[in-house]
Amino acid sequence: AQKITQTQPGMFVQEKEAVTLDCTYDTSDQSYGLFWYKQPSSGEMIFLIYQGSYDEQNATEGRYSLNFQKARKSANLVISASQLGDSAMYFCAMREGENAGGTSYGKLTFGQGTILTVHP
Amino acid sequence: EAGVAQSPRYKIIEKRQSVAFWCNPISGHATLYWYQQILGQGPKLLIQFQNNGVVDDSQLPKDRFSAERLKGVDSTLKIQPAKLEDSAVYLCASSSGFGWGTDYEQYFGPGTRLTVT
Repeated sequence: AQKITQTQPGMFVQEKEAVTLDCTYDTSDQSYGLFWYKQPSSGEMIFLIYQGSYDEQNATEGRYSLNFQKARKSANLVISASQLGDSAMYFCAMREGENAGGTSYGKLTFGQGTILTVHP
Repeated sequence: EAGVAQSPRYKIIEKRQSVAFWCNPISGHATLYWYQQILGQGPKLLIQFQNNGVVDDSQLPKDRFSAERLKGVDSTLKIQPAKLEDSAVYLCASSSGFGWGTDYEQYFGPGTRLTVT
């Protein structure tokens, strides 16, 4: 079974509009972390936002917010006020086996990605 | 602060040849990761080092892939012999350690794009 599923191969959004990129995950761990990365055409992976499984509030980082619905096992990324520079591939990733005050090996499992295109 | 450096950026080889990629992590980062990203897919972890020891190499095809991290700093990933399906981008990442939350965020290099013909 896929651990991370991103069902939208491509998304289009108008500049200054908001867009939601979907991510669902599958894990039996109680402690895990969810990440979103941006990969522009240059190829480098850029960290955007993190949500821990025990975090009660949805994470926010500037124009990025994570809509975390634990019971549904979804962690959707919301980008507000889209900019042309947001056009890129976006990956959802999970790190399992995290324990508050403990350790995890840090291994990230990535989804297939969603290509976001922002139109002027 | 300098980021993760990788070289070469691009490499084209014929199948059955060998190739090596180099990674220099962020100074002081103890944990180093090699990921393989096939076109149209997300990155997949090949191997993880903590200092110069291997933490996880469960997805490394050990019959043809090898990696080392001498002195716990730079790392080299080698493929010998290469197959067509090895065509991918090889990403190196580093973190100060591994643990909870974003305390040990992974920083990625620009990757090496390998084409096997």
